Amino acid sequence: IQMTQSPPVLSASVGDRVTITCRASQGISDSLAWYQQRPGKAPKLLIYAASTLQSGVPSRFSGSGSGTEFTLTISSLQPEDFATYYCQKLNTFPPTFGPGTRVEIK
Amino acid sequence: QITLKESGPTLVKPTQTLTLTCSFSGFSLTSMGVGVGWIRQPPGKGLEWLALIHWDDDKRYSPSLRSRLTITKDTSKNQVILAMTNMDPVDTGTYFCAHKAGWELQNAYDIWGQGTLVTVSS
Repeated sequence: IQMTQSPPVLSASVGDRVTITCRASQGISDSLAWYQQRPGKAPKLLIYAASTLQSGVPSRFSGSGSGTEFTLTISSLQPEDFATYYCQKLNTFPPTFGPGTRVEIK
Repeated sequence: QITLKESGPTLVKPTQTLTLTCSFSGFSLTSMGVGVGWIRQPPGKGLEWLALIHWDDDKRYSPSLRSRLTITKDTSKNQVILAMTNMDPVDTGTYFCAHKAGWELQNAYDIWGQGTLVTVSS
């Protein structure tokens, strides 16, 4: 199963609502996680089971989708949200990551 | 509080074997559903999943790297070791270990180590 993400790069301003899309080449039900990686840091789990917010993650992050198409939405972009976001399928091995979406300052 | 930390050589020569150790605390690798995985990231590129060892010693590997990887655990020392043979410059990157949660988090990787940069060069 291959994972793709779009767009590869997203330019946005503080306060913007942004949406990142992740697609699986085959259906994976809701077995998807989203991670945030800031430069020079380890990835951080944001969402699992496609839409469940990990403990401690701000509520401006939300996830949706099932099957082959998933979205990560940030309702109001904050300065600390400029980072790269990865999706990962979890249903079968290998738990492949998507190629990432870099959110940059417009 | 769960923490993980990677250790190992920062520089290896081509054809050598890389051995990395993940030392962890705050959980037991004998608890049902728990695992420790390895993920790597070439400079400026994305994440690549490498291997996982479960609480019951079940081991899984990346299909493309299976022949070069060995993952083991030492529960008495709270360590997981990854060995990668026949290193090549394309294997240069940051290597992360991470705690794999059980079904309560749908097997997501919820806690990560800081990563260790490995350079392959003669």
